[in-house]
Amino acid sequence: SQQGEEDPQALSIQEGENATMNCSYKTSINNLQWYRQNSGRGLVHLILIRSNEREKHSGRLRVTLDTSKKSSSLLITASRAADTASYFCYKAAGNKLTFGGGTRVLVKP
Amino acid sequence: EAGVAQSPRYKIIEKRQSVAFWCNPISGHATLYWYQQILGQGPKLLIQFQNNGVVDDSQLPKDRFSAERLKGVDSTLKIQPAKLEDSAVYLCASSPSGGETQYFGPGTRLLVL
Repeated sequence: SQQGEEDPQALSIQEGENATMNCSYKTSINNLQWYRQNSGRGLVHLILIRSNEREKHSGRLRVTLDTSKKSSSLLITASRAADTASYFCYKAAGNKLTFGGGTRVLVKP
Repeated sequence: EAGVAQSPRYKIIEKRQSVAFWCNPISGHATLYWYQQILGQGPKLLIQFQNNGVVDDSQLPKDRFSAERLKGVDSTLKIQPAKLEDSAVYLCASSPSGGETQYFGPGTRLLVL
């Protein structure tokens, strides 16, 4: 099974709205990463947050990490049609590296 | 900086045939990964190399899959014999070191008939 399940599995929003997706995990991690995958650009790294960090920003993206709850969230603000993609969280725990099942985001114009 | 290169991009074979995929990572990246991604699922790690040594191959079906990383640079992934359930996209990625940001290639889409 894939550790770190994303929630929700699918999300449909209007352009300009915010999108939030969550990732939970089971064991302690070194870092947690978020990736985006669409048909045009393949799988692309978005943000890496380390276990001693609580929040990171990159442009319209904000990632939080709560190690006490073993969860992370990705917020996309002011969404655009180009944000339509699948978003995956990825956990590095020692030598164990796992992707979640992904959240499929549809941004409607 | 050149990205991760993979070939072929597409491959169609019949079950029980063999197939091989090639990956050239970003220059200087010590860690190389092979993933299998079935439609609608997240990528599943098959094997991770650090230079030319194997770090993790716990999810590699070793009865039919094999992989090698020549001189710590290029890598090949082979399936022999292929099964219908091997139909997937095979992704190669590299990173400067294990557990850090990965850079993915475009993938090889395999269809087994």
